[in-house]
Amino acid sequence: GIQVEQSPPDLILQEGANSTLRCNFSDSVNNLQWFHQNPWGQLINLFYIPSGTKQNGRLSATTVATERYSLLYISSSQTTDSGVYFCAVGNTNAGKSTFGDGTTLTVKP
Amino acid sequence: GAVVSQHPSRVICKSGTSVKIECRSLDFQATTMFWYRQFPKQSLMLMATSNEGSKATYEQGVEKDKFLINHASLTLSTLTVTSAHPEDSSFYICSASDWGYLQFFGPGTRLTVL
Repeated sequence: GIQVEQSPPDLILQEGANSTLRCNFSDSVNNLQWFHQNPWGQLINLFYIPSGTKQNGRLSATTVATERYSLLYISSSQTTDSGVYFCAVGNTNAGKSTFGDGTTLTVKP
Repeated sequence: GAVVSQHPSRVICKSGTSVKIECRSLDFQATTMFWYRQFPKQSLMLMATSNEGSKATYEQGVEKDKFLINHASLTLSTLTVTSAHPEDSSFYICSASDWGYLQFFGPGTRLTVL
């Protein structure tokens, strides 16, 4: 099956700093989503982005499908951005996804 | 929009009992629902894919007789952990999709088996 690698595994930032999270995948995909899992376990959709670039407030994402990677940018980070960020990818018509191991982000005040 | 609920949010049971977890899509019809489990500090592992009105498709290594999945309607799927044991203790999360790719997740159910 498809392999997904996220980096870095852990990231500690000071409030206000910017960060870039990376997701590499081993095969072509028709489905890529970024999620934020909050401390209570809830997964929140950030982006559905199998290709191209999207922006939503302080967050933006870019997927370069031909080079098999996606980037999530967080600007002017806030303490509420803390949590685990997951990239999930899929390449079947069944719609199922494989999750990366996540990046744990800690934003300090 | 795209709200998915799970019930219960937390359950503690004795070893050998069965536990049912419900997953509902509240404001859309979910043709496909997915069930995941997540151990502490780990990623989500897909257990099975269920489509309304048909049998669930289980991932390799997941016991279908232990984890019974029923997707009886376009808004409800249930996961029953049969004869639960302490090693089944985990965080179970469902997701729902209305067109196969974009998944919306429920808040999860934390199962503790004593």
